[in-house]
Order: sequence, then C-alpha cells, then structure tokens
Amino acid sequence: EAGVAQSPRYKIIEKRQSVAFWCNPISGHATLYWYQQILGQGPKLLIQFQNNGVVDDSQLPKDRFSAERLKGVDSTLKIQPAKLEDSAVYLCASSLELRTDTQYFGPGTRLTVL
Amino acid sequence: AQSVAQPEDQVNVAEGNPLTVKCTYSVSGNPYLFWYVQYPNRGLQFLLKYITGDNLVKGSYGFEAEFNKSQTSFHLKKPSALVSDSALYFCAVRARGGATNKLIFGTGTLLAVQP
Repeated sequence: EAGVAQSPRYKIIEKRQSVAFWCNPISGHATLYWYQQILGQGPKLLIQFQNNGVVDDSQLPKDRFSAERLKGVDSTLKIQPAKLEDSAVYLCASSLELRTDTQYFGPGTRLTVL
Repeated sequence: AQSVAQPEDQVNVAEGNPLTVKCTYSVSGNPYLFWYVQYPNRGLQFLLKYITGDNLVKGSYGFEAEFNKSQTSFHLKKPSALVSDSALYFCAVRARGGATNKLIFGTGTLLAVQP
C-alpha cells in the first residue's frame, strides 16, 4: 500500500514570496491533516479536513496560510506572503476515519525562508 | 488544555541494554495515546497506540508502552536496544469525545544507541 506522498521535499524562498505544498493521502483515507514542525518542537496541527470539508483550522494563520482539498483527495497548502518564522517542515498525514484512527504521515516538505 | 511532556531531550543507551523513553500527559478524561518515531529527513512513523483495554501495548520493531492512569504516563520501552533504534521519538495525546482527531505532540526525545 502506497503511503502519503508530498512534494516538493525541499523549498527555499525569500520572505514575502509565496509557496505551495502538495499532498496525496493514502487511498481511501477520508481525513487529511497538515502539521507544522519547527526545529526542536513537536508537530503542530494547522488544519484538518474530513473529505473536502474543514474540521479544524483553529491554528492556521489565515492571514497568510490557506489550504484546500478539492474532490476530497489531494490537498494543497499555500503560504502568501512567507515570513522568516515560517521556516519549518510541513507534514501531511491521513487517517481512515475521523476519530480513533491512527494518523499516517508523509515525508514532509522542508521550507527555508531567507 | 491538553499537553504532553517528554522530560528528557536525549536518552543514551548501550546496544543490547533495555531502553525507556518517558512521556507524561495532561488531558480531560481518558486519553488516546500514541508513540511515533522520526528518522532524519523522514516523516513520522507510527509505533503503537493505547485506546482501551490492556495497559501494556505492543507495537512495531519490538517496542512496547505501558499506560499508567494514576501517574498519567505512557513510557516507551524496549528490552534490548539496537543501534538502528537511534532516532527522534514523539509521544502524542488526544482527548476522547472530541469533535476532531487533533493530536498534541511532545517536544521529542532523541534516542542514541551506542554500539
């Protein structure tokens, strides 16, 4: 079974530029998550989708971050404009169901903002 | 508010010796508890979880964890460490009954196994 796919794996941009990350979850997984992992910290949930609807985006900085999951499969996370403090690894995860199910993570995208 | 504490930034152990990586949590009600491992430049890999039932949970690669409700702990253990176990380990918690599956992660513990 293929795992969660993410691209790109690495991205370097200058502050105030925009960037987008892509995620393809495990086939059949209805729930998709985006996490931000700053160096030396544990992952922090940014947004959670159930199919193509948003379940929780309480920690998403909505003035600069946006995410969508059209058709309930792939998802894109965008940052516009980027700030230095956005440098982090962005992890996508998926789970079969919303509640007790285990989340499976992709390899992540390492973003460096200069 | 939910929280997870991993009191040790790094744990050093010799190959073949038993290892323990500590985790304590704070959550309203009964928790769901998870352990994940992260290798360099890789995403998090699921090791094991406690949902209900037996307090001793067995997971991947010979790891196990014991849920202790009175001490609000969920320590990760392995009887005999391997050099290949060297990685960053994360404990995570979520509360039961929530509308979402939001996990709260600890800050991670770096496990270094010396040959």
